[in-house]
Amino acid sequence: NAGVTQTPKFRILKIGQSMTLQCTQDMNHNYMYWYRQDPGMGLKLIYYSVGAGITDKGEVPNGYNVSRSTTEDFPLRLELAAPSQTSVYFCASSYFSGTTNNEQFFGPGTRLTVL
Amino acid sequence: AQSVTQLDSHVSVSEGTPVLLRCNYSSSYSPSLFWYVQHPNKGLQLLLKYTSAATLVKGINGFEAEFKKSETSFHLTKPSAHMSDAAEYFCVVSAVFPSNTGKLIFGQGTTLQVKP
Repeated sequence: NAGVTQTPKFRILKIGQSMTLQCTQDMNHNYMYWYRQDPGMGLKLIYYSVGAGITDKGEVPNGYNVSRSTTEDFPLRLELAAPSQTSVYFCASSYFSGTTNNEQFFGPGTRLTVL
Repeated sequence: AQSVTQLDSHVSVSEGTPVLLRCNYSSSYSPSLFWYVQHPNKGLQLLLKYTSAATLVKGINGFEAEFKKSETSFHLTKPSAHMSDAAEYFCVVSAVFPSNTGKLIFGQGTTLQVKP
């Protein structure tokens, strides 16, 4: 299994540009997540999905959109990039059955800079 | 609501000496707790997890953590540090209130430096 894969690894955007960060998992996990990590900080949840067709906001959803058309894919869309969105973005997935044990598997991250 | 506090932002040890990374949590319910490690420019990797079984949890690479309900702590330890242990460590709690959504709540992280 490849686990959780993310593309691209690095990207530089200009203010106002848009882009999509791709995330794919091959573990048949039902839950998927997008986090951002700012320097010296922990991870903050942007959006998450409990299954295909179902998404919900996390702590910091403003400026982002997501979709989940398949179990495997969970792309994150930035519509109008702003410098405040400069961060490292991590996608994660888990098989969550409703108990408290929710081990999440993380992708390698996408480092985004908005200038 | 749940929260987690990592008491040290930076910890520096010499190679071969013990490691202690401190974590306190707040939860009205019996929590699931995790420690993740992040090496420079890498994703996060699970070190160990507590899910209400044994209170002393053993993880990968010689790390272990003890769940102490009376102290609301989940400190991470290792008897002897190795240079390859230098990384960022995150203490994490699974959010179960007000609903069990599967969300994880991350601490701010502790940077472990290992000196030769």
